[in-house]
Amino acid sequence: DIVMTQSPDSLAVSLGERATLNCKSTQSLIYHSNNKNYIAWFQQKPGQPPRLLIHWASSRESGVPDRFSGSGSGTDFTLTISNLQAEDVATYYCQQYYSTPLTFGGGTKVEIK
Amino acid sequence: QITLKESGPTLVKPTQTLTLTCSFSGFSLTTTGVGVAWIRQPPGKALEWLALIYWDDDKRYSPSLKSRLTITKDTSRNQVTLTLTDMNPVDTATYFCAHRRNGDFVLSSWGQGILVTVSS
Repeated sequence: DIVMTQSPDSLAVSLGERATLNCKSTQSLIYHSNNKNYIAWFQQKPGQPPRLLIHWASSRESGVPDRFSGSGSGTDFTLTISNLQAEDVATYYCQQYYSTPLTFGGGTKVEIK
Repeated sequence: QITLKESGPTLVKPTQTLTLTCSFSGFSLTTTGVGVAWIRQPPGKALEWLALIYWDDDKRYSPSLKSRLTITKDTSRNQVTLTLTDMNPVDTATYFCAHRRNGDFVLSSWGQGILVTVSS
């Protein structure tokens, strides 16, 4: 199984500042047939289902503000929230869909400092 | 617009079998590449993938729960059913179903989830 490890567990950032969330996988998530990284990022607010933000490591979903960006390749990935807004308070999960079993990271909780 | 909704019991007793139904609209489970997954989340904890059924009826399960899980689909009703046998209090969680999008294979749309409590 591919293990996804997120860091930090929690993060307090001032409004308008940048939040950097990390995710590391135990094996490469690059599918060489298309050179894409099979990792997604989700945002989850209390009492709500996860919301897909980013797929293929850096492709933003329609309707997701451009302050959310994904980067990385292979085994190391980052979700960056620029200009943090109050509505960004949530827990963020990375997930690999390179192979089954699909696996999620443990989550990073983002709060306002 | 894609929507999914989970239904089933919200309280089950230990050793009972849980049967959940995911009713969906806005896509077809006969379309190549499409799938429906089940994921659960114990209160205050992380997400855990359980099972995935593909358009061609291929099925994949979490290795740790494989002996207890069954996933099936009814394409005529646009429904996917998950059964989990021998329920235990540690199975208390919110259970979500999600649409696996064809093309990029990501879990793009999720249901609101159903909280299932296991208690005598």
